[in-house]
Amino acid sequence: DVKVTQSSRYLVKRTGEKVFLECVQDMDHENMFWYRQDPGLGLRLIYFSYDVKMKEKGDIPEGYSVSREKKERFSLILESASTNQTSMYLCASSLGRPAREQYFGPGTRLTVT
Amino acid sequence: AQKITQTQPGMFVQEKEAVTLDCTYDTSDQSYGLFWYKQPSSGEMIFLIYQGSYDEQNATEGRYSLNFQKARKSANLVISASQLGDSAMYFCAMRERAYGGATNKLIFGTGTLLAVQP
Repeated sequence: DVKVTQSSRYLVKRTGEKVFLECVQDMDHENMFWYRQDPGLGLRLIYFSYDVKMKEKGDIPEGYSVSREKKERFSLILESASTNQTSMYLCASSLGRPAREQYFGPGTRLTVT
Repeated sequence: AQKITQTQPGMFVQEKEAVTLDCTYDTSDQSYGLFWYKQPSSGEMIFLIYQGSYDEQNATEGRYSLNFQKARKSANLVISASQLGDSAMYFCAMRERAYGGATNKLIFGTGTLLAVQP
């Protein structure tokens, strides 16, 4: 089974802090994704990557950056956290192009105070 | 622009009955894929079923089936014999066409919260 893990289930940070969310997958997938999920808005894509050191902006990249130094790891970075970044963050990975299903991690619920 | 619409914010169903969750999509592409995911209260998104735009038969996976009506651009999820464990949020998603060497992204609907009553 594909395993996607995220570094924290719950995280509380202060406004202005730099925040790192880590995601690791163990199935050698080329593609990795970061989403945020907010009530009534569904999942919105922040960034994705289809190869090591490659990254593409999703629909809402403002205020975020990403890093993919190794195939299995995809990090989401909030350079200066703000209260409007309080959300559930979901990481996913998929295999191939075109990819079929994405496999998701358990999510990180981030609260910025 | 490609779009997924789920018009049912919430639904109730009695245990052991069948339920249909609606999903309509908008795309000008001929080649696309449609997905359904389940999200229990624990938060993890679980892949349920996939339908390709060129698949002639409706996809089925156990108690899940996808009622694909291409001309109407609908991809409804049917859950037969509902169980209490089916209570969750359900998301419909569509795979966008990729350009260049990039991979395909998914776009998601806003979800339907299903409650199964004993």
